[in-house]
Amino acid sequence: EDQVTQSPEALRLQEGESSSLNCSYTVSGLRGLFWYRQDPGKGPEFLFTLYSAGEEKEKERLKATLTKKESFLHITAPKPEDSATYLCAVQALSAGGTSYGKLTFGQGTILTVHP
Amino acid sequence: GAVVSQHPSWVICKSGTSVKIECRSLDFQATTMFWYRQFPKQSLMLMATSNEGSKATYEQGVEKDKFLINHASLTLSTLTVTSAHPEDSSFYICSAKNIGSYGYTFGSGTRLTVV
Repeated sequence: EDQVTQSPEALRLQEGESSSLNCSYTVSGLRGLFWYRQDPGKGPEFLFTLYSAGEEKEKERLKATLTKKESFLHITAPKPEDSATYLCAVQALSAGGTSYGKLTFGQGTILTVHP
Repeated sequence: GAVVSQHPSWVICKSGTSVKIECRSLDFQATTMFWYRQFPKQSLMLMATSNEGSKATYEQGVEKDKFLINHASLTLSTLTVTSAHPEDSSFYICSAKNIGSYGYTFGSGTRLTVV
């Protein structure tokens, strides 16, 4: 069974204080790992997709990295508007090697950035 | 970018009545749509997967007779909560897989309150 564990559950930072969020996963075969941002009362907003170990992607103050067992979301010099819940999800290959399409989500990390 | 419109954004209904939630992909065709449920401060739990023109596939523990899913076209999927009860109160979110690319776009969610 695919499993995704995110840590920490909650993270409070001062504005400008860089940090990282962790996403550990167990999957039979990884098709893709996704990062989303979710604001209260809203649907998840896409941030990144990573496909293979060693891959990195950046967007403004965010950088996502991937290894064979985990992914990190690095936040550099965060601002209060970066406050949100960050969700990690994996899509596994089916037993036949073709994509099934189902995403398995972690519990999320609630990030609060204080001015 | 790809947009998924979900309506209504919130609904209050009386116990025993049915509620329909719509999800439309506005600028792309969705081969597959996913319906999730999210409780406060918890992650997204997949309820069912629907492919256009086919019966939905429900996750274990989800009552298919209670949560009716219709995916009649490549741009529209509906979730009907039948005979709703207070325990069905939750945040429901749809997600569409773009036929033209490897991506998942989420709707903005529907807050259902059953009184």
